[in-house]
Amino acid sequence: KQEVTQIPAALSVPEGENLVLNCSFTDSAIYNLQWFRQDPGKGLTSLLLIQSSQREQTSGRLNASLDKSSGRSTLYIAASQPGDSATYLCAVGRAGNNRKLIWGLGTSLAVNP
Amino acid sequence: NAGVTQTPKFQVLKTGQSMTLQCAQDMNHEYMSWYRQDPGMGLRLIHYSVGAGITDQGEVPNGYNVSRSTTEDFPLRLLSAAPSQTSVYFCASSYRGQGATYNSPLHFGNGTRLTVT
Repeated sequence: KQEVTQIPAALSVPEGENLVLNCSFTDSAIYNLQWFRQDPGKGLTSLLLIQSSQREQTSGRLNASLDKSSGRSTLYIAASQPGDSATYLCAVGRAGNNRKLIWGLGTSLAVNP
Repeated sequence: NAGVTQTPKFQVLKTGQSMTLQCAQDMNHEYMSWYRQDPGMGLRLIHYSVGAGITDQGEVPNGYNVSRSTTEDFPLRLLSAAPSQTSVYFCASSYRGQGATYNSPLHFGNGTRLTVT
C-alpha cells in the first residue's frame, strides 16, 4: 500500500534562507508526483508536476526533484520570502491506477521577516 | 477565467438534513473530483468523474452522491448529514484524468467548510 510522508510537519526559517521540503513514498511504482501549496482558508495551488520519467522540474525559485528508486522527492525553495509561508503538500499518482492520488499531510512553512 | 468555483463557502447543518455543494469549472476540464480534508488525515477522495455522464467512487463515498450532467458542473449531495461529515470539502479538476498518460495538474476550488451539529 502506497504511503506518503512529509517531514518535518512544520518548519520556521528566517527570510532569505534556501530550504528543502521532503516527501517520501513507499512504493516506487508511481507515474507522477505533484507539489501543491495551500494558504490558510484557501484551496490548493499546483506548483510543480514531475512525471515518472523525469528527475526534476523548475519554476522560478522552486525546484522539485524525484528519485523513484529511493522513494523521495524534495522541493527546494531558493531565497525564501514571507510570502512563501503556507502549507506544502505532495501527492503521488500510483502506476496502474489512473484515478487516485495519495497525499502527504503537508509541511507548514513559516518564513519570518 | 474563474477556474474552479465552489459554493457555499460555509454551511452549518443539523444531523439528518440534506444539502448540495456546488462546483463549477470553466476550463473545459474532463476530470472533476471531490475531496474532504480533515486534520491529521489529509485529503481523501470522495467521488470523481472523467466526463459528463460518468462518475465513480473514491476512498470515502458513503453518505455522498454525485452526478455529472454537464462538463462544467459536478455537485456533491449529502443525503442525510452526520457529525462525521464535518469537514472542509474541495472540488478539483484537471484537463485529463489523473492517469499514467494524463499528467495534468489538479486545479482546486477554495473549499466549503461544513459543520454538522
